[in-house]
Amino acid sequence: EIVLTQSPGTLSLSPGERATLSCRASQSVSSSYVAWYQQKPGQAPTLLIYGASSRATGIPDRFSGSGSGTDFTLTISTLEPEDFAVYYCQQYGSTPPVTFGGGTKVEIK
Amino acid sequence: QVQLVQSGAEVKKPGSSVKVSCRSSGGTFSTYTITWVRQAPGQGLEWMGGIIPIFGTPNYAQKFQGRVTITTDESTSTAYMELSSLRSEDTAVYYCARAKFSTSWYLILDYWGQGTLVTVSS
Repeated sequence: EIVLTQSPGTLSLSPGERATLSCRASQSVSSSYVAWYQQKPGQAPTLLIYGASSRATGIPDRFSGSGSGTDFTLTISTLEPEDFAVYYCQQYGSTPPVTFGGGTKVEIK
Repeated sequence: QVQLVQSGAEVKKPGSSVKVSCRSSGGTFSTYTITWVRQAPGQGLEWMGGIIPIFGTPNYAQKFQGRVTITTDESTSTAYMELSSLRSEDTAVYYCARAKFSTSWYLILDYWGQGTLVTVSS
């Protein structure tokens, strides 16, 4: 089973700043099958990115994903007030299981 | 627009079972993988298992093998997750979610239910 480690645990930033979130896998993730989700308090997660870099439907272009192999990054180019939330990476493949990282909380500084 | 609507909160005794439902509307039910993910209070996301209704054979996370049963009823477009031998550590919000691509185990989860809180307490 692939273990995903997200860093940092918490990111304290101000609106307008750039956020860079890291997700490291314990072994290479085939074909960059990594997704990113945003979760706000009391809500279900929302899909942001899949295939490491493809934005989901309706996701603003300030969200971008990159990476390959074992290192993946979610970048929010300019933080909007609604972007303060917890972000999870996830790896998937042609067969289960899937695993999630422990999450990165982006909080207002 | 696809919507997944889950059953309401449950309070269960240790050792008992719980069955959570997830009704799908607004799209094709039978060919899209439905998966279950749980989240303990203040914790991260944990995949439990999933099923493609048209095929009917579920896949379970090793951690839950023998304790979880995932089924579907295509006549009502509803998926179910039953967890048995409940213990306090099973207290969590349980989510159903649908995969983005048809008849695929590429579990890109683009639609989620609202979550069901299951509390296990004596």
